[in-house]
Amino acid sequence: SQQGEEDPQALSIQEGENATMNCSYKTSINNLQWYRQNSGRGLVHLILIRSNEREKHSGRLRVTLDTSKKSSSLLITASRAADTASYFCALTGGFKTIFGAGTRLFVKA
Amino acid sequence: DSGVTQTPKHLITATGQRVTLRCSPRSGDLSVYWYQQSLDQGLQFLIQYYNGEERAKGNILERFSAQQFPDLHSELNLSSLELGDSALYFCASSVEQMNTEAFFGQGTRLTVV
Repeated sequence: SQQGEEDPQALSIQEGENATMNCSYKTSINNLQWYRQNSGRGLVHLILIRSNEREKHSGRLRVTLDTSKKSSSLLITASRAADTASYFCALTGGFKTIFGAGTRLFVKA
Repeated sequence: DSGVTQTPKHLITATGQRVTLRCSPRSGDLSVYWYQQSLDQGLQFLIQYYNGEERAKGNILERFSAQQFPDLHSELNLSSLELGDSALYFCASSVEQMNTEAFFGQGTRLTVV
């Protein structure tokens, strides 16, 4: 299946700490994206990393991609209570973009 | 605000009925995607259209159908509804037909009773 698998399923940290979420997949991809979803609301695009890129930054976000291990990680530095949300990796191959089950992040103030 | 508009926001209907969900993509976006999100299934890809043509199909039931109109808005039709069809249905749009970020609407929460 093209679907990514996020790890961990849930993560609880203190404000100010870093949060790391991982995504593993099995098929070849064109790019990998990370999205965020606040409870019951629409998904918001965070970052896209292409298959020929290894690392990308956007503000407090850092994404890495290792195509040899078929895995990606999302690091949120200096987390804030407002970062509490579900985070999804999305794999794009051909016309489809398939989402993983997500990681629920809870940041305690 | 993502620029993607979905109507209605909430829908309650009985089993066996048929409903239509509507999506207006961002201005200039030619691609429209439909996803179903339920508690036990995560976010499931249903179908994608690009400039009026179907481009990809996911786990879409035969009771469901969709189309994209010349003005690029899209409709998802759900018929013979079952309790298990209760979910959040999201529409997303993007400029290109692949390999690009998608912008999501706020979803339609469908409850089948």
